[in-house]
Amino acid sequence: GAGVSQSPRYKVAKRGQDVALRCDPISGHVSLFWYQQALGQGPEFLTYFQNEAQLDKSGLPSDRFFAERPEGSVSTLKIQRTQQEDSAVYLCASSPGTHQPQHFGDGTRLSIL
Amino acid sequence: ILNVEQSPQSLHVQEGDSTNFTCSFPSSNFYALHWYRWETAKSPEALFVMTLNGDEKKKGRISATLNTKEGYSYLYIKGSQPEDSATYLCAFKTGANNLFFGTGTRLTVIP
Repeated sequence: GAGVSQSPRYKVAKRGQDVALRCDPISGHVSLFWYQQALGQGPEFLTYFQNEAQLDKSGLPSDRFFAERPEGSVSTLKIQRTQQEDSAVYLCASSPGTHQPQHFGDGTRLSIL
Repeated sequence: ILNVEQSPQSLHVQEGDSTNFTCSFPSSNFYALHWYRWETAKSPEALFVMTLNGDEKKKGRISATLNTKEGYSYLYIKGSQPEDSATYLCAFKTGANNLFFGTGTRLTVIP
């Protein structure tokens, strides 16, 4: 069956540009999560959606980061005025419920030049 | 940010050997402990979700135990195979919905 799909797989942008990363969760999964993984580190939580509601955005590192899930399925993570420290792998995960494991996409590797 | 520690950071074992590694997490505000297996160039794959003190979970040759009072979980692999080579991540969940991940244990099984 279809898993979590993220696009693009790789993104290279110049410092100062805006980028948008897309996540297609597993159909029917209520919960959607975004994580940022820096080199050599474990994934770090960015934000969480339950359906279309963004219930927790405590992990977003600055107001340049913005996420949305307007119809409760596809989500977009937008980073404005990118900086070099934004270079990381951005992982999206979805889950059918609170006690269920999260299903991860392959991630988007973002490189800011 | 909660501190979730995994040890060792990396591990090399011979094919057929059994091995184990540790995840340490805060013993307060425990909600769940997740284990994931992450192969290079693939997405993390869920192994176990553990919620109760004393939980033991098993999936094939891989098993895990949980001690919430002292804040640790062990992952065991019996008779390691080359296909077990991956990074094993644990993640601690408080009452909120986010997971706090460790940095992982990178396992290499040598044929």
